[in-house]
Amino acid sequence: NAGVTQTPKFQVLKTGQSMTLQCAQDMNHNSMYWYRQDPGMGLRLIYYSASEGTTDKGEVPNGYNVSRLNKREFSLRLESAAPSQTSVYFCASGQGSYEQYFGPGTRLTVT
Amino acid sequence: AQSVTQLGSHVSVSEGALVLLRCNYSSSVPPYLFWYVQYPNQGLQLLLKYTSAATLVKGINGFEAEFKKSETSFHLTKPSAHMSDAAEYFCAVSRGGGNKLTFGTGTQLKVEL
Repeated sequence: NAGVTQTPKFQVLKTGQSMTLQCAQDMNHNSMYWYRQDPGMGLRLIYYSASEGTTDKGEVPNGYNVSRLNKREFSLRLESAAPSQTSVYFCASGQGSYEQYFGPGTRLTVT
Repeated sequence: AQSVTQLGSHVSVSEGALVLLRCNYSSSVPPYLFWYVQYPNQGLQLLLKYTSAATLVKGINGFEAEFKKSETSFHLTKPSAHMSDAAEYFCAVSRGGGNKLTFGTGTQLKVEL
């Protein structure tokens, strides 16, 4: 099992460019999540999907959109990147006893 | 609403010494509590979890944590630190029955010779 995979691992964007971060899990989990991690702030929830076909805003959704493509895949889109979106992005999945399993992360720099 | 507070953004211990990382939570309902570890340039890995069974929870790599309702605490301990324990540690809380985690701001553990 690969667990949770994320692509790309690194990305540099110019202000105003768009991109989509991809996430896939092979653990048959119902729930999937997108977080951003910034120094001294821990992980903050951007969006989540409790089950296929549903998505909800987290703590910091502004500037992002998501798509739950199917049970395995959950993508995060930045329509017009801003320097404030420079961060490390983590995807996670979970089910049952509420623990979440994390991907390796995407390091995004917006110049 | 639930939240967690991790006291000490940086903790330094000598190899072989006790590791104590502090986490206090607030929750309006009985919480589920978690400790995660993050090694440099990697994702988060679950160390242990409390889900209202035994109050003393044992995890991987010799770590354990004790749920103390009276103190609203879930501190992480390890009797003897190893160089490989150097990492960032995150405490997280979830409402029982919910599936969203709220994370603390993390504690960077440094292990010195």
